[in-house]
Amino acid sequence: AQSVTQLDSHVSVSEGTPVLLRCNYSSSYSPSLFWYVQHPNKGLQLLLKYTSAATLVKGINGFEAEFKKSETSFHLTKPSAHMSDAAEYFCVVSAPASGAGNKLTFGGGTRVLVKP
Amino acid sequence: GAVVSQHPSWVICKSGTSVKIECRSLDFQATTMFWYRQFPKQSLMLMATSNEGSKATYEQGVEKDKFLINHASLTLSTLTVTSAHPEDSSFYICSARSRNEQYFGPGTRLTVT
Repeated sequence: AQSVTQLDSHVSVSEGTPVLLRCNYSSSYSPSLFWYVQHPNKGLQLLLKYTSAATLVKGINGFEAEFKKSETSFHLTKPSAHMSDAAEYFCVVSAPASGAGNKLTFGGGTRVLVKP
Repeated sequence: GAVVSQHPSWVICKSGTSVKIECRSLDFQATTMFWYRQFPKQSLMLMATSNEGSKATYEQGVEKDKFLINHASLTLSTLTVTSAHPEDSSFYICSARSRNEQYFGPGTRLTVT
């Protein structure tokens, strides 16, 4: 079984300040972990993924995340928020599921508000 | 590359009618496609896994007779919401798997009146 917990349902930051979105996971297997962003009424866009290589993963638009096995965490950060970063962010874990290859499990999402 | 499209992007239908949503992988072949449902301000919930040429695998609590899934080719999967009711109003998102990575469609907003 696997699960994902996003610790903050909402995060509000000022433009130009750092962003931190927290994610903890549990998995019976060595997981792959992803962060996706969803703008209103849009599909999901992959920001970055961890697949057992480097623990610090760099993604698009200045985002990065660090995989910490000891803490079962995969927090997403960005040094300086931009107005266009206002969106919903999902932390996702992927692990084997019988008969269906890898199965994605989504966290509850974190809505980011960027203030000018 | 790896683009997934959905059609329509939004649809309004009357209660009791059926609605079909198409999901296409435009530049790759996908043996496996997934259908998710997302209620307002909530996360994505997997409804079913669709495998080309075989029956879909539904998640617990999802009515297979209500949400008909057909994966007739390597680039097309369809979701038909039969006898739709207002509680079926939601955002439906498909994704297609290619080389162990999933690519998501833009979603379809269904409103049942």
